[in-house]
Amino acid sequence: GAVVSQHPSWVICKSGTSVKIECRSLDFQATTMFWYRQFPKQSLMLMATSNEGSKATYEQGVEKDKFLINHASLTLSTLTVTSAHPEDSSFYICTPDRGDSGGYTFGSGTRLTVV
Amino acid sequence: DAKTTQPPSMDCAEGRAANLPCNHSTISGNEYVYWYRQIHSQGPQYIIHGLKNNETNEMASLIITEDRKSSTLILPHATLRDTAVYYCIVRERNDMRFGAGTRLTVKP
Repeated sequence: GAVVSQHPSWVICKSGTSVKIECRSLDFQATTMFWYRQFPKQSLMLMATSNEGSKATYEQGVEKDKFLINHASLTLSTLTVTSAHPEDSSFYICTPDRGDSGGYTFGSGTRLTVV
Repeated sequence: DAKTTQPPSMDCAEGRAANLPCNHSTISGNEYVYWYRQIHSQGPQYIIHGLKNNETNEMASLIITEDRKSSTLILPHATLRDTAVYYCIVRERNDMRFGAGTRLTVKP
């Protein structure tokens, strides 16, 4: 499977600040990356799909101006949580789209805590 | 919304086979069934997938019924490290949409 690196693994930030999360596909050129978030004791929810060189598509209910996604290269997609608030505290996870029917490799996740 | 139904929790004795069921009665002909698991505070881990034939790899076996409306993931000899939430997913388009999954607890 693909090798995916997600950074940072955890971050604590103050309310009102912005946090950038990076997702790298180390051995695989990913034109598409999926971003998920997971609240405690809940399942993973798809937030958005980033597309290299074009705008990301967001799931219903996810604010595109709050969760900025940039997919500037085939190996890197970033998710920036802008003006973070405590309710944004969550586990954020990425995975590149393989483009075939194989199983996806997920990043190790980023635990964001907003205080 | 997820297209699968799984029991919320199951227990299994260490060393025994764990059989995790999944219903996907609305699956369409070209949709695959995928299984992932998530150990606490980690990203999901791919286990196995199949279309209509039974599949086996070093981690598990996947049994898909002939009508494809349900499947079973089999961990042949469960260990304590297999304690996790197991997700059965029917792939829609290219993205993976997770349901609630089954929390499997392997007990000594």
